[in-house]
Amino acid sequence: AQTVTQSQPEMSVQEAETVTLSCTYDTSESDYYLFWYKQPPSRQMILVIRQEAYKQQNATENRFSVNFQKAAKSFSLKISDSQLGDAAMYFCAYRSRPQTSGSRLTFGEGTQLTVNP
Amino acid sequence: DSGVTQTPKHLITATGQRVTLRCSPRSGDLSVYWYQQSLDQGLQFLIQYYNGEERAKGNILERFSAQQFPDLHSELNLSSLELGDSALYFCASSGFSGDQPQHFGDGTRLSIL
Repeated sequence: AQTVTQSQPEMSVQEAETVTLSCTYDTSESDYYLFWYKQPPSRQMILVIRQEAYKQQNATENRFSVNFQKAAKSFSLKISDSQLGDAAMYFCAYRSRPQTSGSRLTFGEGTQLTVNP
Repeated sequence: DSGVTQTPKHLITATGQRVTLRCSPRSGDLSVYWYQQSLDQGLQFLIQYYNGEERAKGNILERFSAQQFPDLHSELNLSSLELGDSALYFCASSGFSGDQPQHFGDGTRLSIL
């Protein structure tokens, strides 16, 4: 079974600065997806960014980018120019290709990000 | 707005009771997933349906059951409720292609008194 680990329960960053959230995972599969979801105080689950394991290029969405290290099974999220609205719980998630063990998401424990003005 | 609708938003009930949570997926999405988010267990996958059929099962208790109807909406039934069932229950949906990400509803917060 796949596992996802987020070793930073809490992180803080100053507004306009850059912060990196860490995530490691364990899998024996070679083809899969990785995601970062954001959960603000409203409790919604919002997709931030996704990475396909067969793509070497790191995904980028505006101020959000990832550092995907497949051999190390590491998938970190970098938030640049942090804004107050970025304050939330961030979850790293793993998903197999659907032809294997279904399309379920396996989540890490989450990292609570605080943005200081 | 993700396009996934969950009702009700909040549910308060007592131990031993039975409740039904409802989910309407995004238009065109065939897959529905249920997740439970609790303080002690984190976010856990419960069950997946694809076009009316059960596709995958996670850590879903025997007291819990789900189904997906011909119009693709889904219901999660929780029975013989215990205090530990208090949690936020999310429904997510995704499209026909397995490459598409899952989009989450706003969740149903279940409180057992």
